[in-house]
Amino acid sequence: DTEVTQTPKHLVMGMTNKKSLKCEQHMGHRAMYWYKQKAKKPPELMFVYSYEKLSINESVPSRFSPECPNSSLLNLHLHALQPEDSALYLCASSQSGTGGTDTQYFGPGTRLTVL
Amino acid sequence: AQSVTQLDSQVPVFEEAPVELRCNYSSSVSVYLFWYVQYPNQGLQLLLKYLSGSTLVESINGFEAEFNKSQTSFHLRKPSVHISDTAEYFCAVIPSGTYKYIFGTGTRLKVLA
Repeated sequence: DTEVTQTPKHLVMGMTNKKSLKCEQHMGHRAMYWYKQKAKKPPELMFVYSYEKLSINESVPSRFSPECPNSSLLNLHLHALQPEDSALYLCASSQSGTGGTDTQYFGPGTRLTVL
Repeated sequence: AQSVTQLDSQVPVFEEAPVELRCNYSSSVSVYLFWYVQYPNQGLQLLLKYLSGSTLVESINGFEAEFNKSQTSFHLRKPSVHISDTAEYFCAVIPSGTYKYIFGTGTRLKVLA
């Protein structure tokens, strides 16, 4: 099983709403990632969790709050977002908690629209 | 600092014709090289990667890429494309010992019937 699943597939929210994105993998991977991808652009790294601890935060605004409840799950909590936060949010995982040569396996993404 | 350049934003090609998607990188440290493909409304899938050893790497669906250290390039080629190869292709590097992909801006391959 080399699948990373993400829910929901689509999300529309207002600027005052609170919502969460969910990511799950059952490959025993020890690193999990959140990326943001705007249209016709490459993915931009937001956060990295290694062995369930936040190891990288790419200066992401606090209205995005990641959480790793266990080694298989990764959440992204959203609050008071802006319209410019509308994008495809991709989750990925890799086997090792130390990065480098490991392939990152991507989920299909959640397409977020902020009104 | 590292950077990845994909000069061609779009490449149209007829079905069964060969294609080359270009990727050049700049780095002061050793890097690992990857090609990912993104089909419409999907996440990224690994096509192939170069870590070490033979400079020519191949994927299971007929793509190949050659690492050229002197030209700092990692161009992707396929001798005969199919309609189903229509997608966005991203070249990426990871500096040794880090997590962070440095992605190129992507090349949209459009295969025409």
